[in-house]
Formats: sequence, C-alpha cells, structure tokens
Amino acid sequence: EPEVTQTPSHQVTQMGQEVILRCVPISNHLYFYWYRQILGQKVEFLVSFYNNEISEKSEIFDDQFSVERPDGSNFTLKIRSTKLEDSAMYFCASSGEQGMNEQYFGPGTRLTVT
Amino acid sequence: GENVEQHPSTLSVQEGDSAVIKCTYSDSASNYFPWYKQELGKRPQLIIDIRSNVGEKKDQRIAVTLNKTAKHFSLHITETQPEDSAVYFCAASWGGGYNKLIFGAGTRLAVHP
Repeated sequence: EPEVTQTPSHQVTQMGQEVILRCVPISNHLYFYWYRQILGQKVEFLVSFYNNEISEKSEIFDDQFSVERPDGSNFTLKIRSTKLEDSAMYFCASSGEQGMNEQYFGPGTRLTVT
Repeated sequence: GENVEQHPSTLSVQEGDSAVIKCTYSDSASNYFPWYKQELGKRPQLIIDIRSNVGEKKDQRIAVTLNKTAKHFSLHITETQPEDSAVYFCAASWGGGYNKLIFGAGTRLAVHP
C-alpha cells in the first residue's frame, strides 16, 4: 500500500538556521499539506498546496515558512530562520482527487531547535 | 473561528469494555469528519471517517455517529483490546478539494488487560 514518506526523521538545528523538510506524497495524489504537532498537543494545520500554489495557510505559516514542489514527486517545507518555538513534529499529508477528502499522513520529522 | 472540542482528554477502560469519545465542531459548513489513531511516536492513522450525508458508519469494532443539528460526532469502540491503546484525534473539514483538517485536542485511551 502506498504511503507518504518524509526525510529526515529527526533534524536538530541551531536557532536562526534554515531547515528544509522533505516529503514524498502518494504518487497519484493532488493535494498536499503540512501540519505540525508540538509535543503533547494537537495537530495544527500549516498550509495546503494544490496545482503548484498555496491554497490556504494558517496564522502559524508566516514569512519564515515556504513550500515548494521542486519536481514531480517531492514536496518541501522550508523554515528560513528557525526559532526555539518551531521545535515540533512536522507531518506532511496528501489527499487524492477533488472531493476525496481522506488525508494520509507521513511518519513526521521531529525538528529540534536549540 | 473554526474549532473542534474533544472529550474526554483521557479515558481508561478494562479490556472488553466499550469506549466513547465525543467531539463538537463550530463551523456549520463542516461536512467531513475523520478520526485518527496515533500511537506513541508514530504518524496519525486514519481509522474511520463520516460525511455529513450519513448519520452512522461502522467498521468492525469501531463506529462513528454524527448529529449535524447539534454539531457533534462520536467514536465508539466496542470490545476494546490492549492494542487499541493510543491517542485518538477527531477532526473536521468543510470538504472541498484542498480541505484543511481542524483537529481536536486528542483523547489518550488506555485499555487495561
């Protein structure tokens, strides 16, 4: 069964550094998402992406964040200048054709900002 | 704004008992309600979902009910087993193509042998 994959599984970075989190969505899916989960808290929506552009973004997704689909398979989240409060688990998700709502999550990248 | 409330935050049951988790949503335009199970350190896994044109859906030991008028939906697990122990999240979405999920705060379910 196809799954969403993410790399790396764990990223440690210093405050102020740039990080890029990578995701490979399920191959025939059209909609892509990033969510984050601070330890012990609920999953929070960051951004959705369709047809090579952002569809919606949350208040969390400020100018320090960007997303890109650089080729036909990868979907990336970039944080330009990391802050301590960016430490969280970041999940990528994808869903299929329009009207099909089921979102499948990747295993996550644990980002630790020191 | 959009919000999903989930109760209880923790639930402890004996193996074989039933467990019920309840959620309330604020956005009346919501029409898609998935439930995710998250084991420690792992990804949220979709276990069941329901759309607003249906009142109840079952899949083996799990079922979900939806009351659109009251804007609440519930997850029911029967004959609980220790492997059901996990954090369960409800979510709501308005169901368009690029439909963000708004999650509840989660319920930590512990099933004791």
